[in-house]
Amino acid sequence: SAVISQKPSRDICQRGTSLTIQCQVDSQVTMMFWYRQQPGQSLTLIATANQGSEATYESGFVIDKFPISRPNLTFSTLTVSNMSPEDSSIYLCSVFTGTSSYEQYFGPGTRLTVT
Amino acid sequence: DQQVKQNSPSLSVQEGRISILNCDYTNSMFDYFLWYKKYPAEGPTFLISISSIKDKNEDGRFTVFLNKSAKHLSLHIVPSQPGDSAVYFCAASDSGSRLTFGEGTQLTVNP
Repeated sequence: SAVISQKPSRDICQRGTSLTIQCQVDSQVTMMFWYRQQPGQSLTLIATANQGSEATYESGFVIDKFPISRPNLTFSTLTVSNMSPEDSSIYLCSVFTGTSSYEQYFGPGTRLTVT
Repeated sequence: DQQVKQNSPSLSVQEGRISILNCDYTNSMFDYFLWYKKYPAEGPTFLISISSIKDKNEDGRFTVFLNKSAKHLSLHIVPSQPGDSAVYFCAASDSGSRLTFGEGTQLTVNP
């Protein structure tokens, strides 16, 4: 397993601003993921962040809106840029430790409210 | 296109009884299925999983059943306890690290 922390745990931001969310893991992992959970909805994968390469974005998500950094094997950031109220969500990072059972371990999430 | 669906947004059961949470999927390429539990203000935590080569996997009070022909899986919790009250997500993988999640079912176990 892995222990994952996220900062900030919550924030209230104004429309048009940007917020960077940090994800720290207690061990080195190859693959990190960023998800969004909009109110009352499922977890939606935003992108996969691999160390040493560009993040891979899912359909509907673009790098200009959600730039991701992965400077090493224990840390990643997700920036939500030029925010609008529709970006109000819980943002979660997760890691895949490489087991054959495809388990991912999640951070506690960042609750973002855009006003 | 919702490839993993949990049609019941909520379920309420009495303590000690069985809880059955259901999940349907459409993508026949999915070959690994997982259940996660989520408490408020916390991230999802892994609960139990099953490979498509099996039809049942058991771990203590939790059992997952897979019916490949029906593209259906279910999570049984017996006996249910008040501490089991949480949102349960089913997720599926197509032999990769990407997971596709259902919408979740809020389980409430009443004392």
